[in-house]
Amino acid sequence: QSALTQPASVSGSPGQSITISCTGTSSDVGGYSFVSWYQHHPGKAPKLMIYDVSNRPSGVSNRFSGSKSGNTASLTISGLQAEDEADYYCSSWRSGSTYVFGTGTKVTVL
Amino acid sequence: QVQLQESGPGLVKPSETLSLTCTVSRGSISSYYWSWIRQPPGEGLEWIAYIYYSGSTNYNPSLKSRVTTSVDTTKNQVSLKLTSVTAADTAVYYCARIGRSVAGTGFFDYWGQGTLVTVSS
Repeated sequence: QSALTQPASVSGSPGQSITISCTGTSSDVGGYSFVSWYQHHPGKAPKLMIYDVSNRPSGVSNRFSGSKSGNTASLTISGLQAEDEADYYCSSWRSGSTYVFGTGTKVTVL
Repeated sequence: QVQLQESGPGLVKPSETLSLTCTVSRGSISSYYWSWIRQPPGEGLEWIAYIYYSGSTNYNPSLKSRVTTSVDTTKNQVSLKLTSVTAADTAVYYCARIGRSVAGTGFFDYWGQGTLVTVSS
């Protein structure tokens, strides 16, 4: 089961905006509105940041936003802060009633 | 707030069966789907399986022949069994609740802390 494609790393200075892409196919990202994003600090439980492409759970900063165009979803972090440094994973529902994760992106705050 | 806690042996021998339990507290296991996800050292997340509280399941096609998940609503627990393990199955194993929205059930809203399982003789 092939993973969704994310850039290995993205970096930015404090206060800047960065965008992480998540590319799949019409059988997953492009075919459903079930893309979610997770923030993962090593040694801790992953945290849901965005669900259903662009919805933020209660308690998640509005600096995090999600979108989708065709087979590619994106997570944008605006006003980058030191605490945003973490690994980020996208996930999508896939045909066959399964789930698939992205390859993961390491975000570095310079 | 719902809490999930994985438990099980931290070391399993090659060719044996990995068995883990996820105990759900501060919430009911009923009316939700529950999932298992793993992360090998230095690698990304991999979805393994999900189970509905009523017992219906689905598995990652790449693991389907070796994986079984079950639910015990009386104990508020979900279990995972992975047979014929090899070193490639060494990973942190997470259980997670599949959340519900108006659109459907496409995300994982609560996660356990994860438990490291090492496959080695």
